[in-house]
Formats: sequence, C-alpha cells, structure tokens
Amino acid sequence: DAKTTQPTSMDCAEGRAANLPCNHSTISGNEYVYWYRQIHSQGPQYIIHGLKNNETNEMASLIITEDRKSSTLILPHATLRDTAVYYCIVRLYYSSASKIIFGSGTRLSIRP
Amino acid sequence: DTAVSQTPKYLVTQMGNDKSIKCEQNLGHDTMYWYKQDSKKFLKIMFSYNNKELIINETVPNRFSPKSPDKAHLNLHINSLELGDSAVYFCASSQEGGSGNTIYFGEGSWLTVV
Repeated sequence: DAKTTQPTSMDCAEGRAANLPCNHSTISGNEYVYWYRQIHSQGPQYIIHGLKNNETNEMASLIITEDRKSSTLILPHATLRDTAVYYCIVRLYYSSASKIIFGSGTRLSIRP
Repeated sequence: DTAVSQTPKYLVTQMGNDKSIKCEQNLGHDTMYWYKQDSKKFLKIMFSYNNKELIINETVPNRFSPKSPDKAHLNLHINSLELGDSAVYFCASSQEGGSGNTIYFGEGSWLTVV
C-alpha cells in the first residue's frame, strides 16, 4: 500500500499557483518526499524531492511541514501543459532496494 | 538523446505467445526497474536490478523473466501471454545516492494481448 494520501482530483486556473497537498503521516526519519507527474500516455517525470527543508527548482516548490507528516507541491504559474496526474511518494534516499510505491495520485486539471 | 528507451512502443499479440520488451539507459545508472501500469492506471513495481543483480521481485508470475546482460540494459521476457498481461510496461533507472535516487522513466511499451 502507498504510504501517502492525496486528493483524487483538483483543478486550477491557468496562470495561477497550483497547490497539491499530500499526507505522509507514517514517514520515517530517513525517508524523503518525492513528487512525480504523469502526463497522459507518457512515462512518469520527476519533479522535486526533499527531506525536511523547503525546496525549489525550475519546475516547482516543495513545502514540507515541520513534523514532516504532510507536504505541498506548488506549481507557481500553472499552464495547460501541467495537466497531469501528480504522485507524492516517500522513499529512502540511499537505497535502490527501497521500493517506490505509487498511490493513485492527484489528477490536476488546468482550466484556461 | 533519449535517456531511457524501450522497444517496442506498441505490441499486439495473441494469447499464449512469448514476447520481449527491451530497455536501455544511457545515463550510467546502476539500477534499473520494470513497472506495470494496468487499466486502472496504478503503477506497480515488478522488478529492480542493481548492477545486473536482482534486488526486488514483486510477486510477479514466473512467466515474467527479466534479464540484465549489463547494467545499461534490462529486458523483460514474457512467456505464455495472458489477457491480463495487457498493460503499459515502463522501464526506469536510477543511480543509488548520486542524484537523490531520482528515477527516470522510459515512455512505456503498450502491450495488448488478444
């Protein structure tokens, strides 16, 4: 079973910030939070990851709560091309034997 | 250049046949994976290889046999195909520790068994 829970679907107006929440209340101290997305008919694409500090890259920002039990992925200026299923995953950082378990994700729709 | 490439992209075959899907990564990663995405869109890990050694095998039927001739290739052979094997199969790779264990996925191989 996935170790994260996410809303099934969300929508956001084009140009606005999309905030995607994720709960991971059973996360252990050495597990990182990863976000991936899957655009229709394509392979999943890495977005960002973090341990406890907030992270930002060219695609998105990741805000992790102090207790690490939840996080929010922020797409600062959503475009139609951001329409996809977004997966929040927890995983060990230094172990290839640590399985990535995908949940059902959040289907994000961007409206014009 | 495609980082993780898999062939064929589409495959339609009859029940009972044996087929293979090939995967190659040019990222220099030491770990490769096969994932299956069924009609309900759940992505499930099937196998993981690290430096040609099997490290994850997720209760997959024996009809599925991965083969890793070198760490840049992980092929998936399926014997006696069944209707339930119809799915999209994704190959992926990662480098343990190096880039945060980020997994890079191929574009998928769409298998239809009729």
